[in-house]
Amino acid sequence: ELKVEQNPLFLSMQEGKNYTIYCNYSTTSDRLYWYRQDPGKSLESLFVLLSNGAVKQEGRLMASLDTKARLSTLHITAAVHDLSATYFCAVDDSNYQLIWGAGTKLIIKP
Amino acid sequence: EPEVTQTPSHQVTQMGQEVILRCVPISNHLYFYWYRQILGQKVEFLVSFYNNEISEKSEIFDDQFSVERPDGSNFTLKIRSTKLEDSAMYFCASSPSRVEPQHFGDGTRLSIL
Repeated sequence: ELKVEQNPLFLSMQEGKNYTIYCNYSTTSDRLYWYRQDPGKSLESLFVLLSNGAVKQEGRLMASLDTKARLSTLHITAAVHDLSATYFCAVDDSNYQLIWGAGTKLIIKP
Repeated sequence: EPEVTQTPSHQVTQMGQEVILRCVPISNHLYFYWYRQILGQKVEFLVSFYNNEISEKSEIFDDQFSVERPDGSNFTLKIRSTKLEDSAMYFCASSPSRVEPQHFGDGTRLSIL
């Protein structure tokens, strides 16, 4: 059974700092997704990572995938307040199911 | 930009009643999904639907639940004989293919009293 773990679950940081969110998963998969959720809102797709070594960047966010280590990272560079949200990784278990991490609640203070 | 729409945004129902949650996926998408998120918790997969049939369902999706695509646009989730623990946000999603990201609706908040 595929399990997905994110850490940290909660992160409070200052604007301008860098940080990384980690997503580990327990069984082989080569499809991983990152989503953002604002409080009380829907889920917004950020990145799709489809192969080992994949790296995607959008603004201050960069995501990478290491399928051998079963690890994805979401790196935040020079954080700004607008990036405050909960970030989820979700892994395709190759059975038409996305298995979700618990989410990382990110608060960025001015 | 096309989007997934869900109705109602909030549904309050007495325990034991049936509810139908409605979704209109993006028109050229072929894969449809339902998820739920209990307040403050992780997103949980319920069911995926392709080519007019269920392609996968989770353990949560028991006989109490059913899905239908009654016409070319709507995709519904029916919950029979609701329980208190069914209270959650229910999200519908669609995608054009298996690997492309799923696009989510704004969700229906279901409150069972």
